[in-house]
Amino acid sequence: DTGVSQDPRHKITKRGQNVTFRCDPISEHNRLYWYRQTLGQGPEFLTYFQNEAQLEKSRLLSDRFSAERPKGSFSTLEIQRTEQGDSAMYLCANEGGADTQYFGPGTRLTVL
Amino acid sequence: GQSLEQPSEVTAVEGAIVQINCTYQTSGFYGLSWYQQHDGGAPTFLSYNALDGLEEKGRFSSFLSRSKGYSYLLLKELQMKDSASYLCAVRDRRGSARQLTFGSGTQLTVLP
Repeated sequence: DTGVSQDPRHKITKRGQNVTFRCDPISEHNRLYWYRQTLGQGPEFLTYFQNEAQLEKSRLLSDRFSAERPKGSFSTLEIQRTEQGDSAMYLCANEGGADTQYFGPGTRLTVL
Repeated sequence: GQSLEQPSEVTAVEGAIVQINCTYQTSGFYGLSWYQQHDGGAPTFLSYNALDGLEEKGRFSSFLSRSKGYSYLLLKELQMKDSASYLCAVRDRRGSARQLTFGSGTQLTVLP
C-alpha cells in the first residue's frame, strides 16, 4: 500500500456518459500525475499538477478530459461523452523525493 | 521524441538470475526508473539511476549507461512472486514538467 487511494476502483458506463474519478495522494507530496494504461502497454502520461497548478497536459488529453486539484490536495479526472476507446486503467501517482512515483491502485474504466 | 525498447517476455527458473534490458532514445535525459507491476496491480517503484553504473538494492540491481542509452534490471535468487511485468521509464526535462515515459514492459515468468 503506497498511501495513494483512488475511487472508484471499477467503473462501467455507457458510451456518451460522463465519469469522474478521484485520487487522494500522500499529503506531503506536492506533485501529482495522472496516467492511462491499456492492456500490454506501459502507463501513458496524461497530466501533472504541482500543488493546485496544472502544469502540463499530454496531447492524449482531448478536450473531453479535464482534471482539477483544488487546494492542492485530492485530484479529480473527468471524462465527458465517453467513447469505447476511453476504456483503460486510469492511474494516479504522487511524487516524493528521489524521483520516486507512488501509484494508486487505479480505476478501471469500461465503456460499453 | 522518445522511444524505449524492452523485450516483451522473459522466462527463468526459481533461484536463477535474470537480466531485463531497456534501450532508450530521448532528448534531455534526466534519469531512468524501473517499476514492477503484478497483474491487475499498480506499478511499484524498484530503482532509479541518474548516473552511469550499477545500483544494488537487495536481490535487485539496476545498471545505466547514458552514452549507450541502455539500462538493465538484474534480479537474483528468483522467487515465484517475482513473476510480474517490469517497466522501464525515462524522465526528460521538457517544459515545466518532469514527465515519465514508460516502456511497454517485460513480462517475467518464473518457473518452479
